[in-house]
Amino acid sequence: DTGVSQDPRHKITKRGQNVTFRCDPISEHNRLYWYRQTLGQGPEFLTYFQNEAQLEKSRLLSDRFSAERPKGSFSTLEIQRTEQGDSAMYLCASRSRTGVLGANVLTFGAGSRLTVL
Amino acid sequence: ELKVEQNPLFLSMQEGKNYTIYCNYSTTSDRLYWYRQDPGKSLESLFVLLSNGAVKQEGRLMASLDTKARLSTLHITAAVHDLSATYFCAVDGGSNFGNEKLTFGTGTRLTIIP
Repeated sequence: DTGVSQDPRHKITKRGQNVTFRCDPISEHNRLYWYRQTLGQGPEFLTYFQNEAQLEKSRLLSDRFSAERPKGSFSTLEIQRTEQGDSAMYLCASRSRTGVLGANVLTFGAGSRLTVL
Repeated sequence: ELKVEQNPLFLSMQEGKNYTIYCNYSTTSDRLYWYRQDPGKSLESLFVLLSNGAVKQEGRLMASLDTKARLSTLHITAAVHDLSATYFCAVDGGSNFGNEKLTFGTGTRLTIIP
């Protein structure tokens, strides 16, 4: 197992375009999370999945943001009609149901950096 | 809304010195996390503190939790260059809430100077 994989690592796009990021979690982890990190800040929670169910999405930043995990394995995060304010690092993380007494000890991926011109 | 504050935000230390990073949070929680981030890299879990009075140590780093004061500290002993990184603390809703959302502080950027 090589950990949490994210693709692409970097994406440069023009304002108004749609972008999609993919995350492959650790295979035995049933929980998957998306966070956003802007320069000089800590990660900000966006949404999470337990298996294929999206159980918390209120923090998705607008209706331009959507996430899926169709088969309970990999996940995608799509941003439609990108704006310059969407420029950030998008981090995916996963954990198992029971690890460390159920606490949120997450394994993060390397992130997908988005630059909107 | 849960707030997590760290101080200092920036810290330059000489090798061999000791220092402490502070993390205050605004709600009752008995679970606190410390993560490390190297420049351009992702976050790595360092410690998870699961009860009042919990203390964890790994090498030159020691973390503690005081849930009554809503305060955690990360103490660095005899700093070495390899510890240069940004350190984040994070809090969730606590063991009684099943809260899956971590709220992170803004981070402390630590630079160890030879």
